[in-house]
Amino acid sequence: SQKIEQNSEALNIQEGKTATLTCNYTNYSPAYLQWYRQDPGRGPVFLLLIRENEKEKRKERLKVTFDTTLKQSLFHITASQPADSATYLCALYNQGGKLIFGQGTELSVKP
Amino acid sequence: EAGVAQSPRYKIIEKRQSVAFWCNPISGHATLYWYQQILGQGPKLLIQFQNNGVVDDSQLPKDRFSAERLKGVDSTLKIQPAKLEDSAVYLCASSSVAGAGETQYFGPGTRLLVL
Repeated sequence: SQKIEQNSEALNIQEGKTATLTCNYTNYSPAYLQWYRQDPGRGPVFLLLIRENEKEKRKERLKVTFDTTLKQSLFHITASQPADSATYLCALYNQGGKLIFGQGTELSVKP
Repeated sequence: EAGVAQSPRYKIIEKRQSVAFWCNPISGHATLYWYQQILGQGPKLLIQFQNNGVVDDSQLPKDRFSAERLKGVDSTLKIQPAKLEDSAVYLCASSSVAGAGETQYFGPGTRLLVL
């Protein structure tokens, strides 16, 4: 079955640095991959979608890459701010059209 | 536009009791999803509705969980009887259409604690 792995350990970085989060997947070749942000006590919020034929996607300070050979997506936040502190979830659509989520990576940006 | 609404926000029950959660999706969204999110994990799909019909309930523990969306708008998820391992956040999401790549909009969730 499809499996998604994200950094299980929390990522702590200094304000102004670039945060890089990793998402690896196995047993599938998704056509789409999404990234969501989840704050404590709230539901996930959609950030970006990248298609299999797109190598890179940008939105303001966010950048997502999608390497279908490595079966990996990287999520970057440049010039990070304390307000970026949250859990970031990677998700892909499986062959049945179901959205499968990774376990999430907690990001903490210190001032 | 108003987001996905869920109630209650928190619920504490004892094992073997029953509980129900309510969801009102974004207006006009035909597809509605219920997810279970256990602490430290990502959301896991329990059931997907297209209008008032079930599209996927393969991961719904049907011996104790049930869900309905009678008029194709609001939905209710019920657990009867609850077990300790049902302690989790229950998230409702909606999308305008179903299909790979569609953005799902999530509600704030209902946090359930089973004692």
